[in-house]
Amino acid sequence: QQQVKQSPQSLIVQKGGISIINCAYENTAFDYFPWYQQFPGKGPALLIAIRPDVSEKKEGRFTISFNKSAKQFSLHIMDSQPGDSATYFCAASDGLNTNAGKSTFGDGTTLTVKP
Amino acid sequence: SQTIHQWPATLVQPVGSPLSLECTVEGTSNPNLYWYRQAAGRGLQLLFYSVGIGQISSEVPQNLSASRPQDRQFILSSKKLLLSDSGFYLCAWSRAGNQPQHFGDGTRLSIL
Repeated sequence: QQQVKQSPQSLIVQKGGISIINCAYENTAFDYFPWYQQFPGKGPALLIAIRPDVSEKKEGRFTISFNKSAKQFSLHIMDSQPGDSATYFCAASDGLNTNAGKSTFGDGTTLTVKP
Repeated sequence: SQTIHQWPATLVQPVGSPLSLECTVEGTSNPNLYWYRQAAGRGLQLLFYSVGIGQISSEVPQNLSASRPQDRQFILSSKKLLLSDSGFYLCAWSRAGNQPQHFGDGTRLSIL
């Protein structure tokens, strides 16, 4: 079964610090790697995404680093703020081979940013 | 712009009762549609997905079924709910292929 392994399960960071969440995948056919942010009682929302033709993508304080050979990608949150406290999910999908674009999700990381 | 609606937001049902959760998408046509279940503190489990009207694929065997009677309407149903059906149910859509998925705000289902 296709898997995406996410770590750590939970993370506590001081305000202004860097939060780093890691994901590893197995299926080399995956070609789209999004990160989602979920607040309690809400559905996940797309935060940032990367495709395997680039090694890094940055949007504001959020950066994805992608290592195709290691089959790993990570989310870096710079200058973490209390408002960033949420659950973060990585995902991977194989959109070109299956029209449905099914995503395989990691188990999530609960981030707490302390003021 | 595109929006996705899910209802109800919360639902409490007795064991053995039927279930119908509805999801509709506005502002796009022929979307891929998905139903997920999320257990407390856990990840997202894909239950069903659909690439077109009447086309439903099931990911895991379960007590639930899904239907897509219209292009932008996705329904999750059960004839008899089990205690294990409790959870947070999320509907999502995507344009197609390797594109982001957009989630609704979910339905919190409690089975008593």
